[in-house]
Amino acid sequence: DGGITQSPKYLFRKEGQNVTLSCEQNLNHDAMYWYRQDPGQGLRLIYYSQIVNDFQKGDIAEGYSVSREKKESFPLTVTSAQKNPTAFYLCATRGETQYFGPGTRLLVL
Amino acid sequence: GENVEQHPSTLSVQEGDSAVIKCTYSDSASNYFPWYKQELGKRPQLIIDIRSNVGEKKDQRIAVTLNKTAKHFSLHITETQPEDSAVYFCAASYFGNEKLTFGTGTRLTIIP
Repeated sequence: DGGITQSPKYLFRKEGQNVTLSCEQNLNHDAMYWYRQDPGQGLRLIYYSQIVNDFQKGDIAEGYSVSREKKESFPLTVTSAQKNPTAFYLCATRGETQYFGPGTRLLVL
Repeated sequence: GENVEQHPSTLSVQEGDSAVIKCTYSDSASNYFPWYKQELGKRPQLIIDIRSNVGEKKDQRIAVTLNKTAKHFSLHITETQPEDSAVYFCAASYFGNEKLTFGTGTRLTIIP
């Protein structure tokens, strides 16, 4: 778990603004994931990437975008098209097992 | 695709008693089943996992059992303690599919 960093810890978005959440890993894992968790709810998959320069939509990709230009990095952009972005965002990587980063809380001003 | 159902959604247990959480999966190809514990405001942490070539795995007070025929697996926590209070998620995947399918979670409360 210590090999995955997410920043910032808290993020505030104004209406109509795009914001980018950072996820970096030093575990040398090929697979990386973004999940959204609403209060008291489960984990919903937004996007995932199994290799550099390739990624797939998860269950709730609308209003989000990602890139995977480096193995270590998998940033998530929450676009203005995502009308209800307030949630806890978790990045994860997977080698033999899947580990989660510490998360970013996104709040709307 | 895979579907994982988890029961119960909430569970209250007296301190010192045992807790059991059950999950069923739909895809018979699934062969990897991890369990995560999420404390309030924290990230999910892997607590135990099992692969389909074994039927049971133990780690101190925690154990997981797998019934491939019935397509269900369970988490057993013995001698529960207050620090076991958390939300527990089960998940399933199969080799070659890097995507875990999660259950909906069980909120476990240990009553002192």
